[in-house]
Amino acid sequence: KAGVTQTPRYLIKTRGQQVTLSCSPISGHRSVSWYQQTPGQGLQFLFEYFSETQRNKGNFPGRFSGRQFSNSRSEMNVSTLELGDSALYLCASSLGAGQAFQYFGPGTRLTVT
Amino acid sequence: AQKVTQAQTEISVVEKEDVTLDCVYETRDTTYYLFWYKQPPSGELVFLIRRNSFDEQNEISGRYSWNFQKSTSSFNFTITASQVVDSAVYFCALGGATGGGNKLTFGTGTQLKVEL
Repeated sequence: KAGVTQTPRYLIKTRGQQVTLSCSPISGHRSVSWYQQTPGQGLQFLFEYFSETQRNKGNFPGRFSGRQFSNSRSEMNVSTLELGDSALYLCASSLGAGQAFQYFGPGTRLTVT
Repeated sequence: AQKVTQAQTEISVVEKEDVTLDCVYETRDTTYYLFWYKQPPSGELVFLIRRNSFDEQNEISGRYSWNFQKSTSSFNFTITASQVVDSAVYFCALGGATGGGNKLTFGTGTQLKVEL
């Protein structure tokens, strides 16, 4: 069974631009969560989608948004990029709701210049 | 609010030594889950173990073992006979907050370096 895939793996953007990251969960998994990892703030929860509905959202500004499609694939979007958005963005996939085992993808490394 | 503290920032050991990674958590929920993940240099978080709050039985799985004590809110992780391939950042995480879905709260991580 294929694991969680994230595209692209690396991305360089300029301040003020916007970016879209993609996550394909393990086949059959309906929950996708997104995390941001930075040296200063560590791993922080962004949001979770289950069956195309956002279930939880972390403490991030409205520039960070996401969505989930009927095939469970998820995208997250960051608008008006800031230097501080440079981070490793990790996606996690799980079968169901309520602390099911979560499997992480390899991440997308975003650099904002 | 949930909180996870990993006081050890970095640990260096010589191969074959045993090493214990500490984790202390805070939560008001009576039902919760605790996890350990490993993050090698490649960046992907690798799931190691999960325990729920009702199961304090400590187990051993290969070279890994864990010690879950609700009385002290601790969930420590031990690697026996460490190997160079164990070098990575280890994260303790807490989940299961009421209404929290699959949200995990992570500690700051412990960098483990295993040298020859």
